[in-house]
Amino acid sequence: GNSVTQMEGPVTLSEEAFLTINCTYTATGYPSLFWYVQYPGEGLQLLLKATKADDKGSNKGFEATYRKETTSFHLEKGSVQVSDSAVYFCALTVGSSYKLIFGSGTRLLVRP
Amino acid sequence: DVKVTQSSRYLVKRTGEKVFLECVQDMDHENMFWYRQDPGLGLRLIYFSYDVKMKEKGDIPEGYSVSREKKERFSLILESASTNQTSMYLCASSLTVESGYTFGSGTRLTVV
Repeated sequence: GNSVTQMEGPVTLSEEAFLTINCTYTATGYPSLFWYVQYPGEGLQLLLKATKADDKGSNKGFEATYRKETTSFHLEKGSVQVSDSAVYFCALTVGSSYKLIFGSGTRLLVRP
Repeated sequence: DVKVTQSSRYLVKRTGEKVFLECVQDMDHENMFWYRQDPGLGLRLIYFSYDVKMKEKGDIPEGYSVSREKKERFSLILESASTNQTSMYLCASSLTVESGYTFGSGTRLTVV
C-alpha cells in the first residue's frame, strides 16, 4: 500500500540552525509529494510540493527534493527562525486518487 | 485566496448526542474532505466528496456520515457521539490534489 514515514519529534533547534526533517515513502506507482505546515491553533497549509522525480519544491526558505532512488522527500532549511516553530507533515498522492496520505507529523521547536 | 470555514472552533457534546460539524468553502472546489487529527496518529481521512451528493468512505468512516447538498458545503455527522470521537476535526477542499488542499482552522470536539 501507500504510506509515509516521518522522523519522530520533537526536533528542537536554536535560531539560525540548519533543519532537516526526514520523510520516506512507499507507493504503488509514481506519487506526487507534499509538505504541509501547521502553526499552533491553525489548520494545515501547503508549504511546497514536487510532482515528479528530481523535482525540487521550495517556499519561504524551505526546500525538498523528490528522490525516487531513495524514496525520500526530506525537508531542509538553511537557517530556522523562531517563527518556524510548527508541526510539519509529509504527504503523498498517487495516480488519479483524490486523497492525500499523511505522515504522522514532526513538531519543530526553535529557541531564540 | 480560497477560504475554508469551519463553523465552530470548540465544541463540547454529551455521549449519545447527534453532532453536526459544518464546513464551507468559497472557491467552487469540487473536492472536499474530512480528517481527524490525533496525537501520534497524524491525519486520518474519514470521508471525502468529489461532487455534490457524491461521497466516499475514507480510512475510518465508522460512526460518521456526511452530507453534501451544495457544492460549497460539506457536513460531517456523528450519529451518536462517543468519547473515542473526541478529537480535532479538519475540513479541506481542493481543485485537484496536485494543486494542494486548503484546510480550515479545525474544530476541537470533546465528547463527555
